[in-house]
Amino acid sequence: DTGVSQNPRHKITKRGQNVTFRCDPISEHNRLYWYRQTLGQGPEFLTYFQNEAQLEKSRLLSDRFSAERPKGSFSTLEIQRTEQGDSAMYLCASTPRTGSHEQFFGPGTRLTVL
Amino acid sequence: DAKTTQPPSMDCAEGRAANLPCNHSTISGNEYVYWYRQIHSQGPQYIIHGLKNNETNEMASLIITEDRKSSTLILPHATLRDTAVYYCIVRPYSGNTPLVFGKGTRLSVIA
Repeated sequence: DTGVSQNPRHKITKRGQNVTFRCDPISEHNRLYWYRQTLGQGPEFLTYFQNEAQLEKSRLLSDRFSAERPKGSFSTLEIQRTEQGDSAMYLCASTPRTGSHEQFFGPGTRLTVL
Repeated sequence: DAKTTQPPSMDCAEGRAANLPCNHSTISGNEYVYWYRQIHSQGPQYIIHGLKNNETNEMASLIITEDRKSSTLILPHATLRDTAVYYCIVRPYSGNTPLVFGKGTRLSVIA
């Protein structure tokens, strides 16, 4: 399967713990996006990378959130001191360099904070 | 905030055409209309996009009104596997802008 992959698929954690999610985009896709989706809502943009550079961050990305894409390939999203309000599906998407209108989404990581 | 308005839910009989409307009255001249869908427990999936002409691909047809203030996504022969939330999005084509999703339309295809 050469699609976008995300790990883990599910994560249950206790309030106050740190969690990290990983996204592996489609090979050669230089743009990578993170979105968050809560129940009954559409996905909301969090942040965007072009290669290893983080080019845009949403106001939703509080200081407890940090994202990296160190070598321009996979990306990680870390949430520190998790809160119950962080419970959501975290989606990753990638697009090729140019010429594509399509963002390819992964299956998401579902986070539950107890 | 999303620049589109969609009905929250629709039903369609299996085998019939599903017509999903979208209003985007404030669309700008350089903005495209995109449609994505999200099947339960999966990430969104691109369906189709258009600027001002009607478009068709293997999944669906997109009809955009002449004034570009609204559009309709047509699934010509809906199947049970088309049950999903369908999102209409307007976005300038720059290749890198994030998608701004609304709440979409929950389409239920009924046998």
